[in-house]
Amino acid sequence: GQQVMQIPQYQHVQEGEDFTTYCNSSTTLSNIQWYKQRPGGHPVFLIQLVKSGEVKKQKRLTFQFGEAKKNSSLHITATQTTDVGTYFCASSSGGYQKVTFGTGTKLQVIP
Amino acid sequence: EAQVTQNPRYLITVTGKKLTVTCSQNMNHEYMSWYRQDPGLGLRQIYYSMNVEVTDKGDVPEGYKVSRKEKRNFPLILESPSPNQTSLYFCASSLGRRNEQFFGPGTRLTVL
Repeated sequence: GQQVMQIPQYQHVQEGEDFTTYCNSSTTLSNIQWYKQRPGGHPVFLIQLVKSGEVKKQKRLTFQFGEAKKNSSLHITATQTTDVGTYFCASSSGGYQKVTFGTGTKLQVIP
Repeated sequence: EAQVTQNPRYLITVTGKKLTVTCSQNMNHEYMSWYRQDPGLGLRQIYYSMNVEVTDKGDVPEGYKVSRKEKRNFPLILESPSPNQTSLYFCASSLGRRNEQFFGPGTRLTVL
């Protein structure tokens, strides 16, 4: 089945530093979604990318979809303590009706 | 308020005792899923449903059953739970599989 690898697994940053998480697939993805899960909470949808090379921004968050549609990244500029949580990418590609999530990146922000 | 509800939120049970975790959504969504979340493994799809009476296996279906008799409900059934099914379970719904998914609050299951 489709696999989506996500790195890094953990990241500790000082408040104010930038943070990036990456998702990679061996196959072409039709779409990529990003979710955030706060500690003790449930995943919450952030954004969806569908076009090759697409870039979308939400305040300090920048999302990119690779030109070959096999990778994606989420970049947070000047992290804040409210950014703490686990970030997941997800895709529902190909002929499958499944949805595949990456393994997630857990972000800790040190005040 | 648009939401996905799950019950129970917490459950401790013993090996072999059948249990059902309920999931309900009020958004008239067609696509519903069950996921389990385990440390280091992310969210893995157990079963999904494209619509009423249409269900299919996800990536980790062994030991689980589902049904979709009504659009709003998608219960997860463990006929004979085992300790390796101890996990955090999430139900989710969306308009379609490529749409934003709305997650329930989660059910933390411990099988002794």
